[in-house]
Order: sequence, then structure tokens, then C-alpha cells
Amino acid sequence: GENVEQHPSTLSVQEGDSAVIKCTYSDSASNYFPWYKQELGKRPQLIIDIRSNVGEKKDQRIAVTLNKTAKHFSLHITETQPEDSAVYFCAAYRDNDMRFGAGTRLTVKP
Amino acid sequence: DAGVIQSPRHEVTEMGQEVTLRCKPISGHNSLFWYRQTMMRGLELLIYFNNNVPIDDSGMPEDRFSAKMPNASFSTLKIQPSEPRDSAVYFCASSIGTVGETQYFGPGTRLLVL
Repeated sequence: GENVEQHPSTLSVQEGDSAVIKCTYSDSASNYFPWYKQELGKRPQLIIDIRSNVGEKKDQRIAVTLNKTAKHFSLHITETQPEDSAVYFCAAYRDNDMRFGAGTRLTVKP
Repeated sequence: DAGVIQSPRHEVTEMGQEVTLRCKPISGHNSLFWYRQTMMRGLELLIYFNNNVPIDDSGMPEDRFSAKMPNASFSTLKIQPSEPRDSAVYFCASSIGTVGETQYFGPGTRLLVL
């Protein structure tokens, strides 16, 4: 089955800096890669996603890149703000199966 | 739209008791998902329904877990008998299409089995 690894497990940045979170997946047939943000005690919320026919997608300060050959995808947050502090999960999907990474706890220091 | 609704929000029970978690998906959504979240195992997909039919239940941990979706607006996840290791946050999510579409999560049910 699919195996998703996410790094780093914790990330601390200064407000205004960029943050990058990386995920690798094992199944080359995976074709949908969402990213979720989960604030403490709250539900996961989709922040951006990418499909396997696209290499990059951007939404304001958030971007995701996908390298199908290397089987990895990354979340990029620019101009970080304290409200970006949360746990971020990546996921990979194929054939009715969604597998999540272990999560990255991002702390943005003011 | 009220979003995905889950009840109860918190549940504390004793080992051996039956636990029933409830979910109302967003109206018009065709797919419903049950997830479990723990510190040790992270987020896990337990089961996925499409048009009220269970499509993939390979994530259900064992026979003590069962899920039903009797109609498009209601689903239950039952644990019988419950064990302390079932303690977790259980999320329900729905999407307008299949797994590969945007999923909207409910607020979760925090379950503690003593």
C-alpha cells in the first residue's frame, strides 16, 4: 500500500520568513495530493491540493509543487504570519485510499 | 450551510461499553468518510461511503468497529465493545465526489474509553 513520509516533524520560523514542508510517497499511481491545516483542537481544513497532471499550484501565500518522477511534493508558505501556526498534514490518494503524513507542527514566532 | 455535523462532540465511556458516533454530511455531497486521529498513528481513513454504499473499509481496525449509512444524510460509526486503545478523535468528512475531491471535515468526536 501507499506510504507517505513527511518532514520535518516540527518547524519554527520567524514571522515573514518562508516555510517549506516536504512529503514523499511510495506508490507511483497516486494522483491526488491535498494539504490540510489543523489548528489546536480543531478539524483539519484543506488549504491547497494538486493533481498528478500539474507540477505546481499557487494560492496567494501558499504553493504546492509536485515532482512525480521523484515522488515527492512540497508545501511552501511565504511571508509567514503567527496565524499560520498549526499542524500541517500532507496526503496521497489512489484507488479510494487516502494516506496521510504524520504531520508538521509549524510555529511562527512574532 | 451548517457544514458536516458530528455528535456527540465528547464521549467518555467505560471499557466494554458500546459507543455510537453520528455524522450528518453536507447536503448534496455524495461521499462520506470516517477518520481516526491519534498521536501515535496520526490521521487514518477508516471507511469510505459513496452514494451510501461502503466502498472501502480496509482501514477499519477490527470487527469491533462497524459503520452504516442508511441514507444520504446520516451515518454512524459503532464500536462494540470499546477498549481504552480506541480513545481518539474521530472525524467525519464529506465530499461532493469521490476520495479525490475536496473533503470537508466535521468538528470531530473526542472519545475517551476508560
